[in-house]
Amino acid sequence: GAVVSQHPSWVICKSGTSVKIECRSLDFQATTMFWYRQFPKQSLMLMATSNEGSKATYEQGVEKDKFLINHASLTLSTLTVTSAHPEDSSFYICSARYLSGGDYNEQFFGPGTRLTVL
Amino acid sequence: AQKITQTQPGMFVQEKEAVTLDCTYDTSDQSYGLFWYKQPSSGEMIFLIYQGSYDEQNATEGRYSLNFQKARKSANLVISASQLGDSAMYFCAMRERQAAGNKLTFGGGTRVLVKP
Repeated sequence: GAVVSQHPSWVICKSGTSVKIECRSLDFQATTMFWYRQFPKQSLMLMATSNEGSKATYEQGVEKDKFLINHASLTLSTLTVTSAHPEDSSFYICSARYLSGGDYNEQFFGPGTRLTVL
Repeated sequence: AQKITQTQPGMFVQEKEAVTLDCTYDTSDQSYGLFWYKQPSSGEMIFLIYQGSYDEQNATEGRYSLNFQKARKSANLVISASQLGDSAMYFCAMRERQAAGNKLTFGGGTRVLVKP
């Protein structure tokens, strides 16, 4: 199956700093990538949908100035958490959508990035 | 209203037995897809099985089968012959054709613990 990588897999940072998380589709081109956030023992919550070459579409309640998303190429999307605070500590997961040509458009998930803000 | 509901927050199952994980959904779309994912403690999301709204037969993938009851709007996952490695969180998700970007909506998840 298609492979999606995330880097870093975990990061610890000080409050007030910015953190960039990369999401790459390794063996396919992804016109759309999705960013999710998952708090402990909770489900995945979609933060934003990222389309290559255009601005991301953010879900209601997600601050676009705080969570900057850049989808500069068909294989790379980045999420930057700006001025991170302890409440931003979470597990961030990306997924990339592969257009299979049929009705079944698969999404492949990255392994996730665990962010801890001190 | 919740689009995806998983009513079982946690379940124990004896090794080698079958387990059914419940999932009900709510949509007015005629074309949609239903997915099940497994999330072990490592955090990665592992795709298990897919059912399209127009598929007449229930989907099966190895030990996984999906009991699709369209009129009831349910898509329960059946894991047969449970193994210790099946211990994980399981999420049901739906993709609606009308949803912008074909995004997935996830249920709250069910934690499964397989006992030896």
